[in-house]
Amino acid sequence: GESVGLHLPTLSVQEGDNSIINCAYSNSASDYFIWYKQESGKGPQFIIDIRSNMDKRQGQRVTVLLNKTVKHLSLQIAATQPGDSAVYFCAEKGIGGFQKLVFGTGTRLLVSP
Amino acid sequence: DTEVTQTPKHLVMGMTNKKSLKCEQHMGHRAMYWYKQKAKKPPELMFVYSYEKLSINESVPSRFSPECPNSSLLNLHLHALQPEDSALYLCASSQVARGSYEQYFGPGTRLTVT
Repeated sequence: GESVGLHLPTLSVQEGDNSIINCAYSNSASDYFIWYKQESGKGPQFIIDIRSNMDKRQGQRVTVLLNKTVKHLSLQIAATQPGDSAVYFCAEKGIGGFQKLVFGTGTRLLVSP
Repeated sequence: DTEVTQTPKHLVMGMTNKKSLKCEQHMGHRAMYWYKQKAKKPPELMFVYSYEKLSINESVPSRFSPECPNSSLLNLHLHALQPEDSALYLCASSQVARGSYEQYFGPGTRLTVT
C-alpha cells in the first residue's frame, strides 16, 4: 500500500446510514484480504476477512465485497453508529511470505449523530 | 486472552539514549511483528519473528534491534534514533499456519525522539 500524502480520505455519514468504504489493491495474485478498524490512540482491530475464492462475506453489521476483476474491495457497514468513527484500513497478504500484510492508505469514517 | 500488551504507552528519548519497547501476548501465537506507523499513514512492517527466529527484516536501519526472548515476548531495542523515527510503534501477533493470517495488534507505543 502506498501512502498518498498527509490527508486521509474521509467519509462523513449520519448515524443510521449505511457506509461503504472502498479499497483498491495492487497484487492480482493476492488470495487473502482483511479489514481493520483503528480508533484514535489504539492499535488496529480486526473487523472481517475474505479469501479470493469468495466474492462476499458477512459479519455482524459488516459485509465485505471482493471484485477480483478490477482488484477492488469494499466494506459495508449497516446502520452506522458514532462508535464506528475510526480509520479503516484494508490489507492484502503480501508477496514474500504468508505473514506479510500490506496495508492500504486508509479511510477516515466520521459518523455524526 | 486475546490481548497484545505493549509498554510503555509513551516514550520520549534523546538521540543519544538507549531504550527498549516491550510486547507480550499469551495467545500461543508463534509469529510476532513490529510495525511503525506515522500520523495519517498505514502501519509499515519492520520485522517478523516466527518461532522466535527473525524471518523478515524490511531493511530497517540498525539503530532498531529486535529481540524475541521467548514465544510470548518481543522487544525492540532503540539506540541513536533520529527525530524522524518518532512514530507509533505497533506490535502484533498471529498463528503460524497457512490460511490463518489474522494479526492481533497491541495499542502501540507512542515514541518521540528529541
